[in-house]
Amino acid sequence: KAGVTQTPRYLIKTRGQQVTLSCSPISGHRSVSWYQQTPGQGLQFLFEYFSETQRNKGNFPGRFSGRQFSNSRSEMNVSTLELGDSALYLCASSRRLGGPTLVQETQYFGPGTRLLVL
Amino acid sequence: AQSVTQLDSHVSVSEGTPVLLRCNYSSSYSPSLFWYVQHPNKGLQLLLKYTSAATLVKGINGFEAEFKKSETSFHLTKPSAHMSDAAEYFCVVSDDSNAGNMLTFGGGTRLMVKP
Repeated sequence: KAGVTQTPRYLIKTRGQQVTLSCSPISGHRSVSWYQQTPGQGLQFLFEYFSETQRNKGNFPGRFSGRQFSNSRSEMNVSTLELGDSALYLCASSRRLGGPTLVQETQYFGPGTRLLVL
Repeated sequence: AQSVTQLDSHVSVSEGTPVLLRCNYSSSYSPSLFWYVQHPNKGLQLLLKYTSAATLVKGINGFEAEFKKSETSFHLTKPSAHMSDAAEYFCVVSDDSNAGNMLTFGGGTRLMVKP
């Protein structure tokens, strides 16, 4: 079974531009979560999408947004890029059946998209 | 609210000696706990997962972790380090509420293995 794929793997943008990152989950996985990894702040949760709906959102400004398509693929968008947005953006997928669960479904991570903002 | 504290930012061991990476957690709910490993310029790979079935959890590559509720700890161990174990390790907590699928990461421990 193919793993989580993310495109592009590397990206260079300039301040003020916007960027769209893509994530394809493992086949059969309906939940996609996004995380930002920086040397200063570590790994931080951005948001989760399940059945095309945002289920949860981390503490990030509105410039960060996302969506999920009917095939579970997800995109995240960052508008008006700032230097501090330079980071590794990781996507993770899980089966997550929805509703309260007794066992947390494991999240499987993609290789990430490394974004550099100049 | 949930949080994770990895007590050592760097750990250095010699090849063939035991590894201990320490993790304490805080969670309002019955937590699920994970250890992930990240090799340079790679994504995160799941080492092991605790979900209340057994307090001693065995993972891949000889790693294991013990859940101790009274100490709110979930330390990662390996009897004998290998050069290929050099990487960054993250202790992660996820609660079982209906609030979503959010993982909270510790700050990471960089493991260095000396020949």
